[in-house]
Amino acid sequence: EVQLLESGGGLVQPGGSLRLSCAASGFTFSSYAMSWVRQAPGKGLEWVSGISSVGGSTYYAGSVKGRFTISRDDSKNTLYLQMNSLRAEDTAVYYCAKDLEDIVVVPADWGRGTLVTVSS
Amino acid sequence: DIQMTQSPSSLSASVGDRVTITCRTSQSINNYLNWYQQKPGKAPKLLIYAASSLQSGVPSRFSGSGSGTDFTLTISSLQPEDFATYYCQQSYSTPPYTFGQGTKLEIK
Repeated sequence: EVQLLESGGGLVQPGGSLRLSCAASGFTFSSYAMSWVRQAPGKGLEWVSGISSVGGSTYYAGSVKGRFTISRDDSKNTLYLQMNSLRAEDTAVYYCAKDLEDIVVVPADWGRGTLVTVSS
Repeated sequence: DIQMTQSPSSLSASVGDRVTITCRTSQSINNYLNWYQQKPGKAPKLLIYAASSLQSGVPSRFSGSGSGTDFTLTISSLQPEDFATYYCQQSYSTPPYTFGQGTKLEIK
C-alpha cells in the first residue's frame, strides 16, 4: 500500500523559510516522479512543483519559481520542498503526491497534507 | 499557462441521478486530462486519467470522455458517497499542470 507522510509545516513569518518533507513507503520510490500540490483555505487545488525519477528534472509553477526548490533523496525514500521568501499567499495545505509514471504527468496517490501558515 | 474552465461550479443532484461535469481548456491538450474527487478535510483522489482511463479501484459508474479542448466526467448513478468536489487537471506537455476551479456536487 502506498503511504505518503508529509511533515514540516507550521507557522512562519512573511519572508521566512520552511522545509517540507514527504516520507514514502509501499512502492519503489526511485521509480516514480513526485509532486507537491497545495490548497489554500477554502480554495481549489494548485499544482506547485514536480520532480521526475531518473535524471531528476524539476518543474515549478510560476507563483513559486525562484523561491521554492523541490528535491528527492532516493536513499531515504523522501521528497522535499524548500520554501524561501514565504508570502501570505503561500498559506495552504501542502500535499505530496506520487505520479503514475517516472515522469511528472499524473499525481495519483496523495498524502494527507501538512499545513503551512505564513503570518506575522 | 493553459487555462481550465469547469462547469458548473456547483450542482445539486439526487441519489440515482446521472450527472455530467465539463472541463474546457484554453488550448488543445489531446487527451491529457485527469479528474479528481475531494471530500472535505481529505486529500484528492484520482478517478480518471488520460481523459477516459479509470484509475484502479474506482467504481465503473465514473467515466470520462473528450479530447482536444472539451472534456466530461459522468457519474452514471449517483451514490451517497459521491457527494464531493470534483477537479479537472491538464497534464499536457511539460509542467506546470493547472487545475480547474472545482465543481461542488451537493445533495438535492
